Amino acid sequence: EVQLVQSGAEVKKPGESLKISCKGSGYSFPTYWIGWVRQTPGKGLEWMGVINPGDSDTRYRPSFQGQVTISVDKSISTAYLQWSSLKASDTAIYYCARQVAASRWEHWGQGTLVTVSS
Amino acid sequence: QSALTQPASVSGSPGQSITISCTGTSSDVGTYNFVSWFQQHPGKAPKLMIYDVSNRPSGVSNRFSGSKSGNTASLTISGLQAEDEADYYCTSYTSSGTLGWVFGGGTKLTVL
Repeated sequence: EVQLVQSGAEVKKPGESLKISCKGSGYSFPTYWIGWVRQTPGKGLEWMGVINPGDSDTRYRPSFQGQVTISVDKSISTAYLQWSSLKASDTAIYYCARQVAASRWEHWGQGTLVTVSS
Repeated sequence: QSALTQPASVSGSPGQSITISCTGTSSDVGTYNFVSWFQQHPGKAPKLMIYDVSNRPSGVSNRFSGSKSGNTASLTISGLQAEDEADYYCTSYTSSGTLGWVFGGGTKLTVL
């Protein structure tokens, strides 16, 4: 069974750093792109960026470029989303998703709630 | 990369059919057959309902169907059921920008 399991909820202060994870299992992790999606409270979904775990080719939505870093560790089938300096506006639920093919983003993690508050 | 345009809300009675539209441009929906639809219930992760415009993943009810005409993709739900009440999002591949993917703003479906 294909699964994406994300790390648990985080509460951080503005200016702190954070790295959340998304561990894939049940499939060949290097073969399929992983995307990260943000959902702010009561709002819609936004693509933040995507990464090819095979070669770490990464593309970012312009509004997230330089604000976050997406990476992978193939050896442990895990993708990461990290911030060097969190802002209150980063408070959201973050999802990872696996692209099976074309627009077939079929498998999703359970989401990680990040709360940034002083 | 502008978001795709969806109606904020639609509603229907049990047993009826509804259609949710997703309007893009020639940079995304109009050129590529890479449109998918997600259902999201409160507090849950999105669930893929339709991919590549009109394909259903295994396990998704055939009451859900997708289509496209020009720059607009559509999701139709027939025989509405109470459990269909949820938020629905479309996404499309786009040649605009560097990311390659864009979401619609989402549509709240209410089953009356």
